Amino acid sequence: DAGITQSPRHKVTETGTPVTLRCHQTENHRYMYWYRQDPGHGLRLIHYSYGVKDTDKGEVSDGYSVSRSKTEDFLLTLESATSSQTSVYFCAISVGGTNEKLFFGSGTQLSVL
Amino acid sequence: RKEVEQDPGPFNVPEGATVAFNCTYSNSASQSFFWYRQDCRKEPKLLMSVYSSGNEDGRFTAQLNRASQYISLLIRDSKLSDSATYLCVVNSPLADKLIFGTGTRLQVFP
Repeated sequence: DAGITQSPRHKVTETGTPVTLRCHQTENHRYMYWYRQDPGHGLRLIHYSYGVKDTDKGEVSDGYSVSRSKTEDFLLTLESATSSQTSVYFCAISVGGTNEKLFFGSGTQLSVL
Repeated sequence: RKEVEQDPGPFNVPEGATVAFNCTYSNSASQSFFWYRQDCRKEPKLLMSVYSSGNEDGRFTAQLNRASQYISLLIRDSKLSDSATYLCVVNSPLADKLIFGTGTRLQVFP
């Protein structure tokens, strides 16, 4: 157990509304990641963070923003949700660097209607 | 060509069988390789890293073939509880990130 908690676990929202997903970790890991998982695609990286206030874009970052004001919390925000952002979102941490093994939270199922 | 490719399956095997999955990767400079297991509606969990010389963990054996650019996962004496999707993960040196395959589904039946 890597001490990662995601909230909420499920959310249904309407197109155009803002949504924030939270990832909380208890073990002071430096590297944190947000992925989305969709049928027919592998997990795709949205954004990641090297540390407090140090974030960067992944391969599918359009429409998403992140913030990391504390080591333990990594927030993913959909500024104006669209139906194409309906997905399962996973937060992850890695120990040691961006090419090291990942440990995932339980995921958030987001439905945008 | 996708950076990481897997046969989606499903592989349907009886209990006790031996089953193997392959995963091909496109970048010959990749250095980090992993197999993850994902149960339905759950998060991926690390099964094992893959080392150059091959490695074993109980009934699971992982191999790396750099010349042909693929990794493999062999499961011996399959259990019902092995039913899951197995994800291949390879690092992308260019992007300095891990790339996930779409997964191979395994179904073990009694």
